[in-house]
Amino acid sequence: NAGVMQNPRHLVRRRGQEARLRCSPMKGHSHVYWYRQLPEEGLKFMVYLQKENIIDESGMPKERFSAEFPKEGPSILRIQQVVRGDSAAYFCASSPPAPLRDEQYFGPGTRLTVT
Amino acid sequence: TQLLEQSPQFLSIQEGENLTVYCNSSSVFSSLQWYRQEPGEGPVLLVTVVTGGEVKKLKRLTFQFGDARKDSSLHITAAQPGDTGLYLCAGGAGRRALTFGSGTRLQVQP
Repeated sequence: NAGVMQNPRHLVRRRGQEARLRCSPMKGHSHVYWYRQLPEEGLKFMVYLQKENIIDESGMPKERFSAEFPKEGPSILRIQQVVRGDSAAYFCASSPPAPLRDEQYFGPGTRLTVT
Repeated sequence: TQLLEQSPQFLSIQEGENLTVYCNSSSVFSSLQWYRQEPGEGPVLLVTVVTGGEVKKLKRLTFQFGDARKDSSLHITAAQPGDTGLYLCAGGAGRRALTFGSGTRLQVQP
């Protein structure tokens, strides 16, 4: 399967714990985007990364949230001290180095539930 | 801030009917993408349109990009139960974040 991989698919955390979400982009893709989706809503942009660089984090909360895309390994979205309002589906998308038409390809998502 | 409004929000129709979903904005986008999302899954890219006035067809689905590149429509002919899902439009601005509409939930009754 050459698609975008995300794990875990489901994650349950108690309030105050940390959540780590992983994303492996499609082969050959060097751009990664993270989005959050609340029930019955569209996707909201959080952060855009290239290898070892954060390009745009304008959609990410200033506190408790961080993202990285190291030279080796998957991209990680980290949420510290989770609260109930963090419960949502988190999607990762990737695009090639020179997308012809802004296309982004999405993974299956991680459903985070904070109890 | 760029916004995309989709209408209708919900649509329930009988198999065989035609339907149109609209995606409107006051902003210009360099591209417009349509996705379909099944419950518990990620959005799947259906089509990308980039030229004002562009029309693309994908079997029974017809996608159109407005002349001014601010709006788009998705028309489904002879809908089938397999078309059921959440349809999302998303505006692109050149290798940056996509701006998503809130979606149209379509249910096609057999």
